[in-house]
Amino acid sequence: FMLTQPHSVSESPGKTITISCTRNSGRIASNFVQWYQQRPGSAPTTVIYEDKRRPSGVPDRFSGSIDSSSNSASLTISGLKTEDEADYFCQSYDGDIGVFGGGTKLTVL
Amino acid sequence: EVQLVESGGDLVQPGGSLRLSCAASGFTFGSYWMHWVRQVPGKGLVWVSRIHPDGRRTSYSDSVKGRFTISRDNTENTLFLQMTSLRVDDTAIYYCARDGGGWAWGQGTLVSVSS
Repeated sequence: FMLTQPHSVSESPGKTITISCTRNSGRIASNFVQWYQQRPGSAPTTVIYEDKRRPSGVPDRFSGSIDSSSNSASLTISGLKTEDEADYFCQSYDGDIGVFGGGTKLTVL
Repeated sequence: EVQLVESGGDLVQPGGSLRLSCAASGFTFGSYWMHWVRQVPGKGLVWVSRIHPDGRRTSYSDSVKGRFTISRDNTENTLFLQMTSLRVDDTAIYYCARDGGGWAWGQGTLVSVSS
């Protein structure tokens, strides 16, 4: 299956954005979804795992959810800060095979 | 603190081989699934392979199956990726990552395949 993300989103500081990750076949709830943040020139870091859990150190401005009706996962970032400007990737599994979404570039302007 | 340090990236000719290593510290290495993920600079993340904590179960993306082999040495806390029959489109930064409680990522090592 594929995970489809919007290519880019932009919003102003202090606002809230939601990035979607839509699974094109099979149920989104069949496998956990993770979200990774990658700032320019850096390695990815995990911001959400197992659909909605936050690793220690990730602020609660970041939240994850699953919507079975749209067969998609979502990453919501509230109170946007300029430091949130990065690429965001969703990831799940197809059996034993890992699958990444194509990534979404978040611009905070 | 979890640390993953990749090494072994290099410039290699098409058809050549390379072995990547990932030295792990700060956690009980032998208790976690481990992954390799690659990324062409400026492009998206692509999952490559993963290995069970005991090393006996592995899986690969279709693009590398039969050419790459993932392995691990739990006594040395090291993950490996043996890459053979390398192609130009294998050029990428290769990251190792630890599964569980949110993936932890290394900083990556660059593999360039070019004549």
